[in-house]
Amino acid sequence: SQQGEEDPQALSIQEGENATMNCSYKTSINNLQWYRQNSGRGLVHLILIRSNEREKHSGRLRVTLDTSKKSSSLLITASRAADTASYFCATESQGAQKLVFGQGTRLTINP
Amino acid sequence: DADVTQTPRNRITKTGKRIMLECSQTKGHDRMYWYRQDPGLGLRLIYYSFDVKDINKGEISDGYSVSRQAQAKFSLSLESAIPNQTALYFCATSDSGQGADTQYFGPGTRLTVL
Repeated sequence: SQQGEEDPQALSIQEGENATMNCSYKTSINNLQWYRQNSGRGLVHLILIRSNEREKHSGRLRVTLDTSKKSSSLLITASRAADTASYFCATESQGAQKLVFGQGTRLTINP
Repeated sequence: DADVTQTPRNRITKTGKRIMLECSQTKGHDRMYWYRQDPGLGLRLIYYSFDVKDINKGEISDGYSVSRQAQAKFSLSLESAIPNQTALYFCATSDSGQGADTQYFGPGTRLTVL
């Protein structure tokens, strides 16, 4: 069974706008990671946030983690056409030593 | 050159055939994984290996087997392929020394079973 549930399943916005995707999970985690997948290609790691962190930034990406609500959000600011992709959250549960992926959010940036 | 490579990239086969998908990595990572992805779904773990002598079943191992021939090589076999094994298959690696299981993915193998 999948740990992460992502919301929305699909998101379409205009170039330059901000995009926010959410991930909820069920069990206690060591860390939560976000990955990007361009159509039909391998996933690429974007950012990792540990369970004792609340917010992390990387370029135009901002990730938050609320362990009390078992949820995370990924914000992409000033979106570009090249950001069009599917975005997956993945959780590493305590003691699991492996990742469980959510179903992903398909993001489309319209020029 | 890509750090994680998969062969073949595309394969069409018939029901009942034996298929092997291969994965090689030059990252020096000790951990390797096989996932399948179906349309609209995330990745589901088939098998994983934490070192050459370690093989573990994942969420959906039935109908699949694996071999870790060397630290750099991890192959996935479908002994008798069936149509519902049509999917996109990904190999991934990670380094246990990093303190977190950040994974690096190959480009994928698109498998179609007729």
